[in-house]
Amino acid sequence: AQSVTQPDIHITVSEGASLELRCNYSYGATPYLFWYVQSPGQGLQLLLKYFSGDTLVQGIKGFEAEFKRSQSSFNLRKPSVHWSDAAEYFCAADRDDKIIFGKGTRLHILP
Amino acid sequence: DVKVTQSSRYLVKRTGEKVFLECVQDMDHENMFWYRQDPGLGLRLIYFSYDVKMKEKGDIPEGYSVSREKKERFSLILESASTNQTSMYLCASSLAHRTAYEQYFGPGTRLTVT
Repeated sequence: AQSVTQPDIHITVSEGASLELRCNYSYGATPYLFWYVQSPGQGLQLLLKYFSGDTLVQGIKGFEAEFKRSQSSFNLRKPSVHWSDAAEYFCAADRDDKIIFGKGTRLHILP
Repeated sequence: DVKVTQSSRYLVKRTGEKVFLECVQDMDHENMFWYRQDPGLGLRLIYFSYDVKMKEKGDIPEGYSVSREKKERFSLILESASTNQTSMYLCASSLAHRTAYEQYFGPGTRLTVT
């Protein structure tokens, strides 16, 4: 069955430290891939997306993600986090008109 | 910018009441979606629609129905609210059918059923 897995439910990093959020997918063929962010009390906002081409994708707010076909992964990275990055992050995959979301990773920032 | 609005941010209803959650998008998107979001369970698709008067069941349609009489508006209906429907409800829209466009989300409605 198709699935999207975010192995980390919570991650805590210090402000200014680098960040990597993991995402793995299980699909028969490579899906379209997305990362969304949800700030407290808000809806989801698209950070970036991968459809094809360059496997390193740049997004908004200084985020980037790297698609690795061999590992079925699409990990989100940021070189230096800010306190305002504290939020919940969702990886999602879309193939054949059906989008599947991971269960989310909540990011906590230490001052 | 695409804007997706939801009629209420917070709603409190009693068990057995009929509840309407309204969603409006202003960018002429074909697709509209209703999700519920619960801690530890992520987003679960309730219903979606690819066109006016068209609807498809998602993963958890039981206890819900939907209506799409106009392209910009997609309503979620709880025919007889129950306490296990207490949740955050998110509406989303995307541009077109059979293409992988990103979804745009509304701010959500936090529904409490007492």
